[in-house]
Parts: sequence; structure tokens; C-alpha cells
Amino acid sequence: EPEVTQTPSHQVTQMGQEVILRCVPISNHLYFYWYRQILGQKVEFLVSFYNNEISEKSEIFDDQFSVERPDGSNFTLKIRSTKLEDSAMYFCASSYLTSATHVSYNEQFFGPGTRLTVL
Amino acid sequence: SQQGEEDPQALSIQEGENATMNCSYKTSINNLQWYRQNSGRGLVHLILIRSNEREKHSGRLRVTLDTSKKSSSLLITASRAADTASYFCATDGQGAQKLVFGQGTRLTINP
Repeated sequence: EPEVTQTPSHQVTQMGQEVILRCVPISNHLYFYWYRQILGQKVEFLVSFYNNEISEKSEIFDDQFSVERPDGSNFTLKIRSTKLEDSAMYFCASSYLTSATHVSYNEQFFGPGTRLTVL
Repeated sequence: SQQGEEDPQALSIQEGENATMNCSYKTSINNLQWYRQNSGRGLVHLILIRSNEREKHSGRLRVTLDTSKKSSSLLITASRAADTASYFCATDGQGAQKLVFGQGTRLTINP
């Protein structure tokens, strides 16, 4: 069964360093997302990406963050200068959004996550 | 905000019993989805129910949606130890694809 994959599973970095988190969405999906979950808290939306551009982003997704689809399969999240508060589990998700009877069908499948620890 | 909120926050039952978790949200939605998360792991998609649907089944899972009350319930029948996990509802709507998650229900199945 197709699934979303993410690498690395765990990343430890020093504050101020740049990190790139990688995701391979399900191959025929059109929409890609990043979410994060700080330990013990709810899952929060960061950004959605469609047709090679950001379609929506949250207040969390400031200038320190960027996303890219460098080739036909990978989808990356870059944090330019990490802060302690960026420590979290980062999830990539993808969906094949279709419309039926004017109701969107937005089933999102999540990867296993990358645990980012900023020291 | 649109967020879903689950209740109870924690639920502990005996294996074989049924588990019911509830989710409430505040604004109109297109879809409501339920996910399972084992401790420290990824989110597993369980079921999606559209705003024009009232009930959906998948194996031992039954989901209901009441848009007039802005609420949904997830029923797991004949629970097993492997069902021990956190369960989240997530909603999308108002022209956005992003999912808004609740805090989750921590379900413990005692053998």
C-alpha cells in the first residue's frame, strides 16, 4: 500500500543551524502539507503546497521556514536558523484532493514524522 | 477557530468493551477525519466523513456526524489491547485544505 515516507526519523541540531526535513509523498497525490506537534500538544498546521507553490500557511510558518519540491518525488521543509522552540515532531502529509457534488474530499495521509531536537 | 475538541481527554476500558470518543468543532466544515497515534509515532488515518454524511463504518469503527450540533463520535467496538493509542479528530473547511486537530483522547485498553 502506498505511504508517505520521511527522513530522517530523528534529527538533532544546534540552535541557529539550518535543517532540512525530507518527505516523499504518495506518488499520485497533488497536495502536500507540513504539520508539527510539540511534545504533549496538538498537531498544528504549518503549510500546504500545490502546483509548485504555497497555497496556505499558518502564522507559525514565518520567514525562517521554506518548502520546496526539488524534483518529482521529494518535498522538503527547511528551517533556516533553528530555535529551541522548533523542537517538535514534524509530519508531512499528502492528499489527492477531488471534488464530488461540491464537497471536497481531502483525505490526508501522514508520514511517520521526523523528531527534531534543537539543543 | 475551527478546532475540534475531543472528549473525554482520557478513557480506560477493559478489553472487549466498546469505546466511544467525541469531538466538537466550532465552524462549518467540509470533512471530519479521525486519526490514531501510538505513543511517539505517526498519525494513522482511520476514517473520513463528509459534511453531507451522517454515519460511516469501517471494520470495528463507526463514525457519526451531527452538523447541527457540530459534533462527531468515534465508536470502536470489541476493543483490543492494540487499540491503545491517542485518537484525534481533524476538520477542514471554509475553502481551506488544512486540517485543524483537537487535543485528542488517550484510550487505554486493559487486558
